[in-house]
Amino acid sequence: QVQLQESGPGLVKPSETLSLTCSVSGGSIGGSTSTYYWNWIRQPPGMGLEWIAYVYSTASTNYNPSLESRVSISKDPSKNQFSLRLRSVNAADTAIYYCARSRASDRGSFEIWGRGTVVTVSS
Amino acid sequence: DIQMTQSPSSLSASVGDRVTITCRASQTVTNFLNWYQQKPGTAPRLLIYGALNLQSGVPSRFSGSGSGTDFTLTIVSLQPEDFATYFCQQSYSIPFTFGPGTKVDGK
Repeated sequence: QVQLQESGPGLVKPSETLSLTCSVSGGSIGGSTSTYYWNWIRQPPGMGLEWIAYVYSTASTNYNPSLESRVSISKDPSKNQFSLRLRSVNAADTAIYYCARSRASDRGSFEIWGRGTVVTVSS
Repeated sequence: DIQMTQSPSSLSASVGDRVTITCRASQTVTNFLNWYQQKPGTAPRLLIYGALNLQSGVPSRFSGSGSGTDFTLTIVSLQPEDFATYFCQQSYSIPFTFGPGTKVDGK
């Protein structure tokens, strides 16, 4: 079955750029036969969940307006991965970052999740 | 943004109890309402999508109802593995937003 695995630096300094990658196994991330949305979602320590962005199989994207000025999402079908870049990070960006898949029939229903990667913003 | 609220924020229950959690949206989300379960140290798990559809592999003791702005998640007979935090989430409009969660623990 499809599995997602996040990877990232763990610790990022304030004002730097955070780069995260989600590796997908058991299924293809791109191509005309793939009709899924690939998402990033985060959860600050002890708090709720915040949707960040998605990239569709066609490479179209959509972002949370609260983060849109600092974030970009992309996919690399050749590696079966998709990635997130968050610029100018600060302490409020400290969170567990999850990647997740949603279906074309309901782009915001997150049916498969990765285990998450912890990101701490600190000098 | 559509704001999601949940009640109660926490509840204590016993194995075998019927548990009901409510979720309200600040504006209509039609039936684009999802429920997730999260246990400590793990990712959320989709339980219900489209307000009332059971995700594959989820036990039938879980059910969802509602439309528009008011929704309910029901667990008909709570099992030990059901102690967790439950989130509702709207997928009607961007940005997709989550409720603050309802923690279900043991009495």
